[in-house]
Amino acid sequence: EVQLLESGGGLVQPGGSLRLSCAASGFTFSTYAMSWVRQAPEKGLEWVSTISSDVVSTYYADSVKGRFTVSRDNSKNTLYLQMNSLTAEDTAVYYCAWLRYGDYSCHQHWGQGTLVTVSS
Amino acid sequence: QSVLTQPPSVSAAPGQKVTISCSGSNSNVGIGYVSWYQQLPGAAPKFLIYENNKRPSGIPDRFSGSKSGTSATLGITGLQTGDEADYYCATWDSSLSAPVFGTGTKVTVL
Repeated sequence: EVQLLESGGGLVQPGGSLRLSCAASGFTFSTYAMSWVRQAPEKGLEWVSTISSDVVSTYYADSVKGRFTVSRDNSKNTLYLQMNSLTAEDTAVYYCAWLRYGDYSCHQHWGQGTLVTVSS
Repeated sequence: QSVLTQPPSVSAAPGQKVTISCSGSNSNVGIGYVSWYQQLPGAAPKFLIYENNKRPSGIPDRFSGSKSGTSATLGITGLQTGDEADYYCATWDSSLSAPVFGTGTKVTVL
């Protein structure tokens, strides 16, 4: 059974940092690209970042470029999102998602999400 | 704001059919595959349709997808109360070089 388990969310002050993790199991993690998608309260889904299976390529939404860094450890089957210079607009549930092979827009499995709240 | 437009809400009685449109452009829906997701209240999104009209294992055939030109459609037949959820489309946008999600549609079973 495929499982994606996010952790690391919480309350952080504006300007602060947070590192999210996503532990994957049930599939060959190192073979697939992975993404982070977020959802602000009462809002729709917003793509945040994608990393290729071989760690060579990373992609970011303009709204987080320069502040967020995606990484992965294929030996630990874990995806990360380092978030710096956080603002209230970053408040959201953050989901990690397993991408379908060859299609960076097709999120075939999602974690349960972790809530990040940016507030003083 | 998203480049993929969906109606905010659709509704129908139990057993009836609803369709949800996803309107894009020649830089996204018009040239790429569309996928669809269901998000039940308080839950994470769930993968429903890929490559415009294919269902992953375990998704009932009450759910169907289609695409024509720059618009895609999700259909749900035999509507059940358990289908009350938000539904999102997604595809790749070549102008943005990024995946994009639709604005989302809330399905209400009357």
